[in-house]
Amino acid sequence: KQEVTQIPAALSVPEGENLVLNCSFTDSAIYNLQWFRQDPGKGLTSLLLIQSSQREQTSGRLNASLDKSSGRSTLYIAASQPGDSATYLCAADNAGNMLTFGGGTRLMVKP
Amino acid sequence: NAGVTQTPKFRVLKTGQSMTLLCAQDMNHEYMYWYRQDPGMGLRLIHYSVGEGTTAKGEVPDGYNVSRLKKQNFLLGLESAAPSQTSVYFCASSYSFLGTPLHFGNGTRLTVT
Repeated sequence: KQEVTQIPAALSVPEGENLVLNCSFTDSAIYNLQWFRQDPGKGLTSLLLIQSSQREQTSGRLNASLDKSSGRSTLYIAASQPGDSATYLCAADNAGNMLTFGGGTRLMVKP
Repeated sequence: NAGVTQTPKFRVLKTGQSMTLLCAQDMNHEYMYWYRQDPGMGLRLIHYSVGEGTTAKGEVPDGYNVSRLKKQNFLLGLESAAPSQTSVYFCASSYSFLGTPLHFGNGTRLTVT
């Protein structure tokens, strides 16, 4: 059974810092790895989806990488802003959109 | 374009009562999902549907039933609510299962007393 872990559970940084969020998974036979953002009291918003054949995906200040062999993915956020404050979740897809989610990293960017 | 809409937003039930959560999507997506989110447990898949008239069990299906009579709607039913079903429920949809992003609704916060 796939298990997805995100460390740290919470992170606080000053505005402007570059930061890395970590995601590890136990079963490397994945179709893709997805990153989501969740604001308090809201649903999840898809940020990036990395197919199993890809190494990374970029969207604006966000860059996600995937290393299947080591069971790791990272989400890099450049020049963080207070508006980036949210919970970030990663999810591994082993069976066609049957996602296994990590517990999330709660990010606080201080002005 | 509303995306994925869930109703109601909040609900309090007493143990043994029943209710139905409604999910509607206007993106013509084939796939729809119901998740629950609990502190320390993350999001877990309850049931899903790969098209109109089809449903399948996810990771935690016990105590729930679903129906997909119309492509745009996916209903989640609790026949006899239990305190263990206190949670935030999210509906999601996707165009296909081949690595297309999921679109989530804003959730239903359910408390069972």
